[in-house]
Amino acid sequence: GAVVSQHPSWVICKSGTSVKIECRSLDFQATTMFWYRQFPKQSLMLMATSNEGSKATYEQGVEKDKFLINHASLTLSTLTVTSAHPEDSSFYICSASRHRDRAYEQYFGPGTRLTVT
Amino acid sequence: RKEVEQDPGPFNVPEGATVAFNCTYSNSASQSFFWYRQDCRKEPKLLMSVYSSGNEDGRFTAQLNRASQYISLLIRDSKLSDSATYLCVVKQDFGNEKLTFGTGTRLTIIP
Repeated sequence: GAVVSQHPSWVICKSGTSVKIECRSLDFQATTMFWYRQFPKQSLMLMATSNEGSKATYEQGVEKDKFLINHASLTLSTLTVTSAHPEDSSFYICSASRHRDRAYEQYFGPGTRLTVT
Repeated sequence: RKEVEQDPGPFNVPEGATVAFNCTYSNSASQSFFWYRQDCRKEPKLLMSVYSSGNEDGRFTAQLNRASQYISLLIRDSKLSDSATYLCVVKQDFGNEKLTFGTGTRLTIIP
């Protein structure tokens, strides 16, 4: 159990275009999902917390108008990178939270590798 | 000071050896602790949660010392498949599910 999928797994786009990434929890419902970004040889950095049915909460320094998040159902959250630029090239990973035993555990999707040319 | 600090390694150990990783966290209000492993160019996978009493899962043992704000992971009888980056992860409080990741410790098991 606790499978999270992401689509697409990789994408190459031209500078100035927008890219949408989907994150789905396949076998559990997740009221909260998270979006992370990871640059080479660095750790995961949280971008935003996505709550089903409400606005996302963005971390300091993350532009909410550039990284649009929608969490329309308990199993789906989307991240849209608008007007992408080469510096947005990164590994984007989502996670979904599930309560298990004594804690909420986060399960990660396989990630989406974005390259902006 | 980083919120979660780990020795980045790399640790190169022979197959069958025992290896230990340490991690310290700065926020004394932190409530939940985890070890994740991440293979190259893959997503992190939950290895184990860390409980106050310490816990064991097969060859893996995790310990938590709240007074010293210190978490450890011990791997016994290491296998080649244990080669990965191990991430120490901390959750701040019960009302906030946000995770803070350490930079990870790179482990390579040598045949």
